[in-house]
Amino acid sequence: QKEVEQNSGPLSVPEGAIASLNCTYSDRGSQSFFWYRQYSGKSPELIMSIYSNGDKEDGRFTAQLNKASQYVSLLIRDSQPSDSATYLCAVTIILTGGGNKLTFGTGTQLKVEL
Amino acid sequence: DVKVTQSSRYLVKRTGEKVFLECVQDMDHENMFWYRQDPGLGLRLIYFSYDVKMKEKGDIPEGYSVSREKKERFSLILESASTNQTSMYLCASSFRKNIQYFGAGTRLSVL
Repeated sequence: QKEVEQNSGPLSVPEGAIASLNCTYSDRGSQSFFWYRQYSGKSPELIMSIYSNGDKEDGRFTAQLNKASQYVSLLIRDSQPSDSATYLCAVTIILTGGGNKLTFGTGTQLKVEL
Repeated sequence: DVKVTQSSRYLVKRTGEKVFLECVQDMDHENMFWYRQDPGLGLRLIYFSYDVKMKEKGDIPEGYSVSREKKERFSLILESASTNQTSMYLCASSFRKNIQYFGAGTRLSVL
């Protein structure tokens, strides 16, 4: 089982719709969760971080975390063509012997169609 | 704003060459990371460093080494470049709560 799993997509949504991106993780001890957006040929940029169960909203973006189900999601409201990108889920994984590292999923490609 | 600068956007090298990729951050971050990104494989951690002169192996360290002589600079070294090291290389730095900030990336082609 991969440590962080995402559906690779592409996920296609019409402009103005809600895009829902999902991520599951394997380490029950994970404490920090992130969503990065990556445009083709560019580097990842952080768009949301979430550390406790529930929802966190920032503009058109909402991150949702459910630690019991080991599930984190990203909702994008009023999707725009400029949201078309690959979205990477990242989770801290606790290392044996202490410490932690950030582990990335392989990303979900989102396409927002006119 | 956090600024992570990678020395080159594109590099073309020959098999067997020694290759240096440089990364500099301007936010006094303790933690720095090197990843490579390949289609279908996502971001894979090569090496990381939590302090000056300190280094830890990531998931795929074979064929690579690193150097961190100063806090702001983290270098990735390919001792003898091979074609399977053709990839996008990304440097990142972080300070707290594991939020990592990425440089623009270096696309390396080894011929």
